[in-house]
Amino acid sequence: DIQMTQSPSTLSASLGDRVTITCRASQSISSWLAWYQQKPGKAPYLLIYKASNLESGVPSRFSGSGSGTEFTLTISSLEPDDFATYYCQQYASYPWTFGQGTKVEIK
Amino acid sequence: QVQLVESGGGVVQSGRSLRLSCAPSGFTFSTYGMHWVRQAAGKGLEWVTGISYDGSNKYYAEFVKGRFTISRDNSKNTLYVQMNSLRAEDTAVYYCAREGTSGYSIDYWGQGTLVTVSS
Repeated sequence: DIQMTQSPSTLSASLGDRVTITCRASQSISSWLAWYQQKPGKAPYLLIYKASNLESGVPSRFSGSGSGTEFTLTISSLEPDDFATYYCQQYASYPWTFGQGTKVEIK
Repeated sequence: QVQLVESGGGVVQSGRSLRLSCAPSGFTFSTYGMHWVRQAAGKGLEWVTGISYDGSNKYYAEFVKGRFTISRDNSKNTLYVQMNSLRAEDTAVYYCAREGTSGYSIDYWGQGTLVTVSS
């Protein structure tokens, strides 16, 4: 199975900060990586697919990059609605696997 | 708009069975792969099982192989997962999810149904 490791596990940031979350795969997954946002008690919400493609309707302050084994999710300027937990997920091969999540908290 | 509504969750004793259903709407169900993803309280997301658009291919996480069976009835517009030999560690919210096309992974999620396995 492909292991996905996110860092950091928790991130404290202020409104307007630039935030970067890293996701590493245990083997190459090309660009088969998605990023999701999840708020407490809610289902996840797709932000980015195929590593760098912004899902329709997602604010442009979100961006994704990377390929192979190293990926990043960047929020260019943190807004109140962005405080949530973020997950990466590989879909290069079954079983699909998620990172453990990164919680973005208010500093 | 796309909607996925799960049902069938509840409290069940360890070792017993439960079947979850997912009723999609707002898209042509028979043309999309579908998945179940779970999340234990306070924990991360865990992919459980997936099925191709026509039911010909099925995939399972190792921890449910031999116990869970995914299926779909395209004539009834319904996705299922039959969960047998349930364990306490299967306690979680189970999400039904749609696999998008053209390079997508999961693009839509249901609101989830809670399964509690009591020992």
